[in-house]
Amino acid sequence: DVVMTQTPVSLSVSLGGQVSISCRSSQSLVHNNGNTYLSWYLQKPGQSPQLLIYKVSNRFSGISDRFSGSGSGTDFTLKISRVEPDDLGVYYCGQGTQYPYTFGAGTKLELK
Amino acid sequence: VQLVESGGGLVQPGKSLKLSCSASGFTFSSYGMHWIRQAPGKGLDWVAYISSSSGTVYADAVKGRFTISRDNAKNTLYLQLNSLKSEDTAIYYCARSAVYYGLSGYWGQGVMVTVSS
Repeated sequence: DVVMTQTPVSLSVSLGGQVSISCRSSQSLVHNNGNTYLSWYLQKPGQSPQLLIYKVSNRFSGISDRFSGSGSGTDFTLKISRVEPDDLGVYYCGQGTQYPYTFGAGTKLELK
Repeated sequence: VQLVESGGGLVQPGKSLKLSCSASGFTFSSYGMHWIRQAPGKGLDWVAYISSSSGTVYADAVKGRFTISRDNAKNTLYLQLNSLKSEDTAIYYCARSAVYYGLSGYWGQGVMVTVSS
């Protein structure tokens, strides 16, 4: 199974600030078809996860351009700029390149 | 797109439960579907996948105990949970597959399954 390692476990940020979350996979996430199925999700308390970024750097419908994804192979990063109160919660990376699909353990974003 | 899970509840270890996920707002028969679960206070755990042609894939932890199925006429996805264990206690989410691989941005609100005597 592909192990997804997220860092840090938690992050404190001031409103308006910028943060980065790292996600590393134990194997390359490049699929045989050339695509890389690495996604980022935000889960707010009591809600289901919401997709932010898919295939490394593509924002899902309605997602602010304050969220950006980058990376390749086994190393990926989510950046959030101009942090707003609605951005707080737990962020997960996840891979859909091979079964079983796996997720990172999560990064909790809190207000400083 | 809307996905609504139902069928959760409290069940004793070793017993069975069947979850449903009612889909609307898209052509259900054209998409693969997934079940993902989340134990209380824990992270996300992928459970099972069924393709549009009903091919299936399971996580090792549930293989042989859980069965994913679909009824395209009813626009409904199912997860039959047998031989339940306490470690199966979780919120179970259904989610639509992305066009080729990965999960889409369409998830249900989740249904709680508690396995306890």
